[in-house]
Amino acid sequence: KQEVTQIPAALSVPEGENLVLNCSFTDSAIYNLQWFRQDPGKGLTSLLLIQSSQREQTSGRLNASLDKSSGRSTLYIAASQPGDSATYLCAPDAYNAGKSTFGDGTTLTVKP
Amino acid sequence: KAGVTQTPRYLIKTRGQQVTLSCSPISGHRSVSWYQQTPGQGLQFLFEYFSETQRNKGNFPGRFSGRQFSNSRSEMNVSTLELGDSALYLCASSLEGISYEQYFGPGTRLTVT
Repeated sequence: KQEVTQIPAALSVPEGENLVLNCSFTDSAIYNLQWFRQDPGKGLTSLLLIQSSQREQTSGRLNASLDKSSGRSTLYIAASQPGDSATYLCAPDAYNAGKSTFGDGTTLTVKP
Repeated sequence: KAGVTQTPRYLIKTRGQQVTLSCSPISGHRSVSWYQQTPGQGLQFLFEYFSETQRNKGNFPGRFSGRQFSNSRSEMNVSTLELGDSALYLCASSLEGISYEQYFGPGTRLTVT
């Protein structure tokens, strides 16, 4: 059974800092891994999807890496802004699970 | 291209009642998945429908059911509501399933009193 852990659970940083969010998973037989953000009470917004054959993906100030063999992914946010404040979730899609398994997320607060 | 839409956005029901939630996927997407999100349990997978067939199912009681129509729109039904069913219900659509990027709707907030 796929288990997903996200560390830290919460993070508070001043505006402008670069930061790293971590995601680890137990079943490395995955199709891909997707990172989402969720604002309070809202749905999930897709940020990046990394295919299992890829090592990283970039979109603007966001960079996600994937090390499938060690069951780890990181989301790097450059030059953080108050608008980045949200909960960030990772979801690896394991072959055997037939579904996405979500971590509990990292709640990020960026202070002006 | 329009995103995933869910109706209604908010719902208040009484214990013992039943409820039906609706999800319209992105045009061209054939897979619809449903998730329940609560503060204590996080995001939990309910089921996935593809081409009108349930393809995967999570660990929820039989009170939770769903269906998908020929236009890929999906409905989820919960019968005999319990207080613990209060949650944000999210649906996600993708082209063909989990190996493709998933797009989520805004969710339906269900409160059971």
